[in-house]
Amino acid sequence: EAGVAQSPRYKIIEKRQSVAFWCNPISGHATLYWYQQILGQGPKLLIQFQNNGVVDDSQLPKDRFSAERLKGVDSTLKIQPAKLEDSAVYLCASSRARTGVSYNEQFFGPGTRLTVL
Amino acid sequence: SQQGEEDPQALSIQEGENATMNCSYKTSINNLQWYRQNSGRGLVHLILIRSNEREKHSGRLRVTLDTSKKSSSLLITASRAADTASYFCATDSGGYIPTFGRGTSLIVHP
Repeated sequence: EAGVAQSPRYKIIEKRQSVAFWCNPISGHATLYWYQQILGQGPKLLIQFQNNGVVDDSQLPKDRFSAERLKGVDSTLKIQPAKLEDSAVYLCASSRARTGVSYNEQFFGPGTRLTVL
Repeated sequence: SQQGEEDPQALSIQEGENATMNCSYKTSINNLQWYRQNSGRGLVHLILIRSNEREKHSGRLRVTLDTSKKSSSLLITASRAADTASYFCATDSGGYIPTFGRGTSLIVHP
């Protein structure tokens, strides 16, 4: 089966500009996650969707970050305006519906490397 | 905050040797997972061990969990150059959303 697709793979912008990332999860996966991975650190969950509803966005900086998954399939993550500290790799992952009592493996995309100058 | 912390931060070995990396965490967990990340394949799930399990095997991987010490170890036997990657432990306290550590960077020299 095809994996999680992300685009673009690389993006360089100046601070205060806007940027958007796109993710296409594995077909049939109801749950979608966005992670931020700063160089030298592990991934940090930003937001989790179950179909087109938000399950957890407690670590999403809502003053500048937004995400949507309108039809329960593709998702976009936007940063507006970007800051220097937003330089990171943004990872998208998907899994089958999470029941809360069983584990559904997360499959990660290749990520988008963002550099903010 | 990051729950799991891997040790060592970096590890360099020769092909054929075993590699051991450790993970310590602070609060009670339901599950602990190990992931591998390299530039070619992104982040890949390796193995999950539940809090009531003590050891699991998968191919050349062996994971142990000691909940009394709040620690886990990942052993890669007979390492290969292709094992060169960063390895992360990730814990969850229910809900299966992993909280990642900073990772161990493993280099296997051919």
